[in-house]
Amino acid sequence: GAVVSQHPSWVICKSGTSVKIECRSLDFQATTMFWYRQFPKQSLMLMATSNEGSKATYEQGVEKDKFLINHASLTLSTLTVTSAHPEDSSFYICSARYMNTGELFFGEGSRLTVL
Amino acid sequence: RKEVEQDPGPFNVPEGATVAFNCTYSNSASQSFFWYRQDCRKEPKLLMSVYSSGNEDGRFTAQLNRASQYISLLIRDSKLSDSATYLCVVKSNDYKLSFGAGTTVTVRA
Repeated sequence: GAVVSQHPSWVICKSGTSVKIECRSLDFQATTMFWYRQFPKQSLMLMATSNEGSKATYEQGVEKDKFLINHASLTLSTLTVTSAHPEDSSFYICSARYMNTGELFFGEGSRLTVL
Repeated sequence: RKEVEQDPGPFNVPEGATVAFNCTYSNSASQSFFWYRQDCRKEPKLLMSVYSSGNEDGRFTAQLNRASQYISLLIRDSKLSDSATYLCVVKSNDYKLSFGAGTTVTVRA
């Protein structure tokens, strides 16, 4: 199946710093990618829809200035958590829709811990 | 009310047993339904789509009940490797995906 790669898998940072997470579709082009956040024992919550070449669409309650999304190419979307705080510690997962079948493929996830 | 609700479990079953669980959804206009499997600290992976007439994939059977707005997943002859969290995913008519919190299944030897 199609492959979506996320990097880094784990990141620990100090409060107040910014962290960038990359999401790449390795063997297909994705005009749309999605970013989710998952807290322990909770469901995946969609944060935003990343559209190649245009601004991301954020879900209600997600601060666009705090979670910067850039989808500069058909194979890469980035999520930057700016001025991270301990409450931003979570599991961040991206996904990309394979246009041919509509199936959603997920990245491996990035576990962020803010100290 | 949450858009997608699942019994969190855990369902602890012996190897070889059958286990089944449901997922309810609130949006009657939902178009597509899926079961994803998520292993601990890993990304979700598609297990199977759920079709209106119900469908089977090996030991896994999925059913859809539009009238009562729920889908179900049944696992027959459980294997140790079936231990995971099963996420119910519902796609609405605007292509928005909603995820359940997951049902945890633990298969013991």
